[in-house]
Amino acid sequence: QLQLQESGPGLVKPSETLSLTCTVSGGSISSSSYYWGWIRQPPGKGLEWIGSIYYSGSTYYNPSLKSRVTISVDTSKNQFSLKLSSVTAADTAVYYCASQENYNWFDPWGQGTLVTVSS
Amino acid sequence: EIVMTQSPATLSVSPGERATLSCRASQSVSSNLAWYQQKPGQAPRLLIYGASTRATGIPARFSGSGSGTEFTLTISSLQSEDFAVYYCQQYNNWQTFGQGTKVEIK
Repeated sequence: QLQLQESGPGLVKPSETLSLTCTVSGGSISSSSYYWGWIRQPPGKGLEWIGSIYYSGSTYYNPSLKSRVTISVDTSKNQFSLKLSSVTAADTAVYYCASQENYNWFDPWGQGTLVTVSS
Repeated sequence: EIVMTQSPATLSVSPGERATLSCRASQSVSSNLAWYQQKPGQAPRLLIYGASTRATGIPARFSGSGSGTEFTLTISSLQSEDFAVYYCQQYNNWQTFGQGTKVEIK
């Protein structure tokens, strides 16, 4: 069964770029049935979709974040990555990666990683 | 952007009782709606997709209904492990989540 694991720095300085990687195991990231998504959750708040990518490299971004987000995929490593530029304290959140069946619902999710934006 | 509104924000229920959670979309999402359960410190878990189809391994006490703009998640008899926060998500047009309903012990 699919498993996803986020990795990356837990602390990022304001105005810098947040970079996270999600490693997929138990299946191929090149599956035609799945997209791969990033979702975040500020402490004590709800969920916000950041964007999704298909193994071919096609990307879909939340319009509210589009100008700062880049999602990429590395099929040779079975990984996909998130870059969020010009971060502020408002970007402090738990960041989740998840598989997205046919660009629909998210299942399963990674365990999440807390990224704090602070100097 | 389609806005998803969940009600109530908090639902206090006794174990064994029925819980009914609502999710309303600002415009029709057809049946393109999912429900998730999130416990403290854990990632969300998919419960329902297609508005009414239970995900693999989800107990039958969880059921979803609705279409268009009005949706309901029903937990027929609350178990101790069901006290959590529940989110709805529409995937008809991009994807947006509701703000969540916390189901707490009464």
